[in-house]
Amino acid sequence: DSGVTQTPKHLITATGQRVTLRCSPRSGDLSVYWYQQSLDQGLQFLIQYYNGEERAKGNILERFSAQQFPDLHSELNLSSLELGDSALYFCASSVDGSGANVLTFGAGSRLTVL
Amino acid sequence: QKEVEQDPGPLSVPEGAIVSLNCTYSNSAFQYFMWYRQYSRKGPELLMYTYSSGNKEDGRFTAQVDKSSKYISLFIRDSQPSDSATYLCAIGNQGGKLIFGQGTELSVKP
Repeated sequence: DSGVTQTPKHLITATGQRVTLRCSPRSGDLSVYWYQQSLDQGLQFLIQYYNGEERAKGNILERFSAQQFPDLHSELNLSSLELGDSALYFCASSVDGSGANVLTFGAGSRLTVL
Repeated sequence: QKEVEQDPGPLSVPEGAIVSLNCTYSNSAFQYFMWYRQYSRKGPELLMYTYSSGNKEDGRFTAQVDKSSKYISLFIRDSQPSDSATYLCAIGNQGGKLIFGQGTELSVKP
C-alpha cells in the first residue's frame, strides 16, 4: 500500500456521461498530480495541485476538470465522455510541489467508456 | 518530438541476464531522473532516483545519467522472473511534474 488512495478502482460508463475520480494523498503530502495512462500514449501528465492551488497543467482536455480540497484530497471530473477517454487514471502525491520530490502513485482508477 | 523517448519493447530475456533499458530526452533543463517500475494492474513505484550525471547503484540495479548526451539508462544484473514488469523513465525539473517515457515491458523467463 503506497498510502495514496484512489476510488473507484473500476468504473464502466457510457459515452456522454460524467464521472468523478477521487484521490486521497499520502499523509503529509501537499501536492497532488493526475496522470492518464493509455496503451498508445503512455503516462500523460494532466494537472498538478499544491495545497489547494493549481500549480501546473498538462494535456488536460477542456471536458476534464480537477480540484484539491482543504483536506488535501483531490477530485478529477471527466464529462461528456468519449470512447477515447477509456484509460487508467492515476493520482500521485509528493511532499511539496518541487521537482526534487518523489511522486508516490496510487493504484489507479480504470475507466471504461462504452 | 517527444520530450522523453523510450523504446517500448517488449523485451524478453532469460533469467540471470543483464538488462539494459534506455531513454533519451530533449530538454537540458531537466534536473531529476528517475526510474519507476509498474507491475500489471498496479501503480508505478519508484525504483531509482538520481540528480547528477554518473552512476548510482542499488543492489542489482544501476542507474546511469549522461547529461551531455541527454541519455539515461537502467541496468539490471542477474535478472529474475520477479523483475518482469514495465519500466518507465521519468524526468523532472523544479516545476514538480514528472514527464514519463512510454515504458519498456520486460519479461524475464525462468
